[in-house]
Amino acid sequence: EPEVTQTPSHQVTQMGQEVILRCVPISNHLYFYWYRQILGQKVEFLVSFYNNEISEKSEIFDDQFSVERPDGSNFTLKIRSTKLEDSAMYFCASSGGASSNYGYTFGSGTRLTVV
Amino acid sequence: AQTVTQSQPEMSVQEAETVTLSCTYDTSESDYYLFWYKQPPSRQMILVIRQEAYKQQNATENRFSVNFQKAAKSFSLKISDSQLGDAAMYFCAYGAGSYQLTFGKGTKLSVIP
Repeated sequence: EPEVTQTPSHQVTQMGQEVILRCVPISNHLYFYWYRQILGQKVEFLVSFYNNEISEKSEIFDDQFSVERPDGSNFTLKIRSTKLEDSAMYFCASSGGASSNYGYTFGSGTRLTVV
Repeated sequence: AQTVTQSQPEMSVQEAETVTLSCTYDTSESDYYLFWYKQPPSRQMILVIRQEAYKQQNATENRFSVNFQKAAKSFSLKISDSQLGDAAMYFCAYGAGSYQLTFGKGTKLSVIP
């Protein structure tokens, strides 16, 4: 069964450093997403991406965040200057359809710890 | 804004028994989709079941079924013949044509051998 792959599984970084979280979506999917889950809390939408541009973003996704599809297979989330409150599980997802109606396929997540 | 509420932070069920997890939501949309996701200790989000709001028939996937009450805006998940591998966090989620899903806070399900 096709999978969404995320690397690394766990990243520790110092406050103020830049981090890049990587994702390989399912190969025939065209819509890509990032969500985050602070420990013990609900999953929150960050951003959706289609046709090489952001299609929707939440209030959480401020100027310190950016996304990119640098080649035909990877989808990345960059946090420019990490803060302690960025510590969370970050999930990448992809879908074949244009809306949330399809229920995405999620990756296994990257646990980001900012110290 | 749409909201999803899961009123049971934790539930437990005896192995082989049946358990129902509750979810309510608030929306002004008439056409939308509802989902249950399972998050085991590995933290991966796994789609369990999906319900289309315009369909009156409740969705079923093997031991998992839903009770969808559109007028009451209720979407509960029933797990029959519970197994140890069902132990996980369960998240209810709502989607209505936009790109994002809105999740509830989750219910932690424990299965007692």
